[in-house]
Amino acid sequence: DVKVTQSSRYLVKRTGEKVFLECVQDMDHENMFWYRQDPGLGLRLIYFSYDVKMKEKGDIPEGYSVSREKKERFSLILESASTNQTSMYLCASSLRQFTSTDTQYFGPGTRLTVL
Amino acid sequence: AQSVTQLDSHVSVSEGTPVLLRCNYSSSYSPSLFWYVQHPNKGLQLLLKYTSAATLVKGINGFEAEFKKSETSFHLTKPSAHMSDAAEYFCVVSRDWGSQGNLIFGKGTKLSVKP
Repeated sequence: DVKVTQSSRYLVKRTGEKVFLECVQDMDHENMFWYRQDPGLGLRLIYFSYDVKMKEKGDIPEGYSVSREKKERFSLILESASTNQTSMYLCASSLRQFTSTDTQYFGPGTRLTVL
Repeated sequence: AQSVTQLDSHVSVSEGTPVLLRCNYSSSYSPSLFWYVQHPNKGLQLLLKYTSAATLVKGINGFEAEFKKSETSFHLTKPSAHMSDAAEYFCVVSRDWGSQGNLIFGKGTKLSVKP
């Protein structure tokens, strides 16, 4: 079974702090994704990566950055956390580059609260 | 541009009665379509996917969906609801830009199952 793990289930940070969310997958997948999930809005793509050191902006990249130094690990960084970044953050991975048919496998999510 | 609309934000059924969750999509090409489920405090899990093969797609836990190009619909059905089906369901369409396997999520339908 594919396993996607996220470093924390719950996180509480203060406005202005730098926040790191970590995601690890164990199935040698090429693609990794970061989404945020808000009630009534579904999932929105923040960033994705199709290879080590490669990244592409999603629909809502403002206020976020990412890092992929190793194939299995994809980090989401909030440079200066703000209250409107309070949300559920979901990481996902999929097997092959350049295909829209592969299943995305999701981690359990990190619920981030910014005070 | 692609989009997906889930026509009901909340559906309530009684145990043992049929389930219908409605989804319409918009796409300028032949998309891949997915249904994902999210149980409370759990990550998203793939229920089923359509990738231009058979138009009637069977998924896990007795769910199925039919791709109807003329109606641009991909409704999810199950003949008999179980209490364990209570969850949030997301209809998802593949994106055509960048061919990076990106997905567009609907806003979700919460399914309640009454005893």
